[in-house]
Amino acid sequence: QSVLTQPPSASGTPGQRVTISCSGSSSNIGSNTVNWYQQLPGTAPKLLIYSNNQRPSGVPDRFSGSKSGTSASLAISGLQSEDEADYYCAAWDDSLNGFWVFGGGTKLTVL
Amino acid sequence: QVQLQESGPGLVKPSGTLSLTCAVSGGSISSSNWWSWVRQPPGKGLEWIGEIYHSGSTNYNPSLKSRVTISVDKSKNQFSLKLSSVTAADTAVYYCARVIIDTVTHGWFDPWGQGTLVTVSS
Repeated sequence: QSVLTQPPSASGTPGQRVTISCSGSSSNIGSNTVNWYQQLPGTAPKLLIYSNNQRPSGVPDRFSGSKSGTSASLAISGLQSEDEADYYCAAWDDSLNGFWVFGGGTKLTVL
Repeated sequence: QVQLQESGPGLVKPSGTLSLTCAVSGGSISSSNWWSWVRQPPGKGLEWIGEIYHSGSTNYNPSLKSRVTISVDKSKNQFSLKLSSVTAADTAVYYCARVIIDTVTHGWFDPWGQGTLVTVSS
């Protein structure tokens, strides 16, 4: 069971806006920033959003991130077929000596 | 740009030790970044294993700490993972990744290696 909670699946039609939630606690999301990773089928994860809402160069502005309290969200607007992938949130957890935690992942299907 | 490449045996016997190396190219392992290992069992999510700084400082996942050793070889610009007493539950794709850090946050993983599948079986 993952420390961060994500819905296992999400879906939308081309052009739609979808959001994926990530719920944590005071020791992780409540205290630290959230990063999001996109994993296309059969490939390694790729950084999508860092520091809650920052996009690396090359990531379309259709992707956006936000954080409030102990939860975070990833929004994808103007959904495209190539967005079909698994999405993972991650944050540093301050408990014990500190460690990285991931969400269980959300499989996004473009209908 | 920095690229990472994992290497090591694809098959390990139960109770044995899993050993992998991550070669860093396009940049120095002595830069101000941490270097991490993450794994993904088939069909499942991501699990962080641990990380190392070029000074040798390490952080480990508490659930794996007793079995994990991560080391760095600055002369070869690479870092390594050893996981002991493996079972079938350790079968996974193992990724290495750079952890970019800044003054405010604990950072983020970028880039990732392509990953290598390690199967634990007799």
